[in-house]
Amino acid sequence: QVHLVQSGAEVKEPGSSVKVSCKASGDPFTYYDFTNFAINWVRQAPGQGLEWMGGIIPYFNTPNYAPSFHDRVTISADKSTTTVYMDLRSLISDDTAIYYCVRESYCTSSMCHTRGKFAFWGQGTLVSVSS
Amino acid sequence: QSALTQPPSASGSLGQSVTFSCTGTTSDIGAYKYVSWYQHHPAKAPKLLIYEISQRPSGVPDRFSGSKSGNTASLTVSGLQADDEADYYCTSYAGDNSVIFGGGTKLTVL
Repeated sequence: QVHLVQSGAEVKEPGSSVKVSCKASGDPFTYYDFTNFAINWVRQAPGQGLEWMGGIIPYFNTPNYAPSFHDRVTISADKSTTTVYMDLRSLISDDTAIYYCVRESYCTSSMCHTRGKFAFWGQGTLVSVSS
Repeated sequence: QSALTQPPSASGSLGQSVTFSCTGTTSDIGAYKYVSWYQHHPAKAPKLLIYEISQRPSGVPDRFSGSKSGNTASLTVSGLQADDEADYYCTSYAGDNSVIFGGGTKLTVL
């Protein structure tokens, strides 16, 4: 079983940035269980559907981003703390949403690239953007 | 990248079956076997129901089944139960380690 625990709710002003963390753990949970599995970020704005933002495999530390977020988001991983971060800049009111981190579960050759098999989800972090 | 197309709403009576559609393109659903479906109840994290078009994770009842034809994927829920009332999302791999979600279908159980 894998646990993804996210940081708490944030209230931000337009134009500012927010950084949400996602700590991975489990029982058992090895170094491989963190480094070799893609962690992605998915958000849901009020009354809207789910939207994929991007992801990273800590082993490679090379993130992939959805085109609509490419200029404003940075996803990073800290292997020493098994934590993935999502940094969203230049916030606007439309960025008000619940942000989820999710772990990929489709694996080939000991590596689990993003394919959309998201079996484990964080609890969600509400980010509110308002002046 | 445009969102996959799902009808915004669907309904079915207790015990009946309902099928959701999810339409993409030759660059996503039509190109790959990596189509997943999620069930989302309000105030809870989404739950994986189907992966790789038709595979069920352990613990998901066989009332849920998935299929694909061309650029369209489908999810069928048979033997509708009250707790099936939720939002259902499809997602597909779209290449370059990216995925794309559908807009979601809200299921009402009558």
